[in-house]
Amino acid sequence: QSVLTQPPSASGTPGQRVTISCSGSSSNIGSNYVYWYQQLPGTAPKLLIYRNNQRPSGVPDRFSGSKSGTSASLAISGLRSEDEADYYCAAWDDSLSGRVVFGGGTKLTVL
Amino acid sequence: QVQLVQSGAEVKKPGASVKVSCKASGYTFTSYDINWVRQATGQGLEWMGWMNPNSGNTGYAQKFQGRVTMTRNTSISTAYMELSSLRSEDTAVYYCARGFLPLPFTNWFDPWGQGTLVTVSS
Repeated sequence: QSVLTQPPSASGTPGQRVTISCSGSSSNIGSNYVYWYQQLPGTAPKLLIYRNNQRPSGVPDRFSGSKSGTSASLAISGLRSEDEADYYCAAWDDSLSGRVVFGGGTKLTVL
Repeated sequence: QVQLVQSGAEVKKPGASVKVSCKASGYTFTSYDINWVRQATGQGLEWMGWMNPNSGNTGYAQKFQGRVTMTRNTSISTAYMELSSLRSEDTAVYYCARGFLPLPFTNWFDPWGQGTLVTVSS
């Protein structure tokens, strides 16, 4: 039902690099920036990446974002146990008078 | 530090309305937009709309047009989101979230409030 498509789950072992994909269309990712949020269990979301690949102050450089065409991805290198969380991509969508749209979220498990 | 503190959990009957507050501190309230995002239990995030606290102008997602009203009281740096004609599908945690950059509207958000659980049940 989400406008942006993410895999429901991802996993990795400590120290590994994992990537999470986000697929959209020409009205959202294809023509606007992509953002990523991290939601730790039982907490509010937190901005992780903005404008495709920019990190807010305080976000470790282990987190990186990229975009190509109508898809985007979040990469986490040097995986840590505290990275276990839900990750959401988001973008502005030009349809329906304009709105922010989210992916369905990807639950990352650190094995 | 920049902080958004929301009002407490609510239980409402179908057909009723709910009004959630979001008190801002640590920055100039009228300089950043406030957005509302909801999350049903175990589900993803859904954007409801935004408000310019300086002018009071709003922009609502088409899905919520006619049912949602976003207002503010600048004297106490507080934003409000009222949702009417509640149904069971509106049961969710409702978050307020500040635009990342100063006005005009920024469609990425940080920080977020702690969330307010609204339960709609007969």
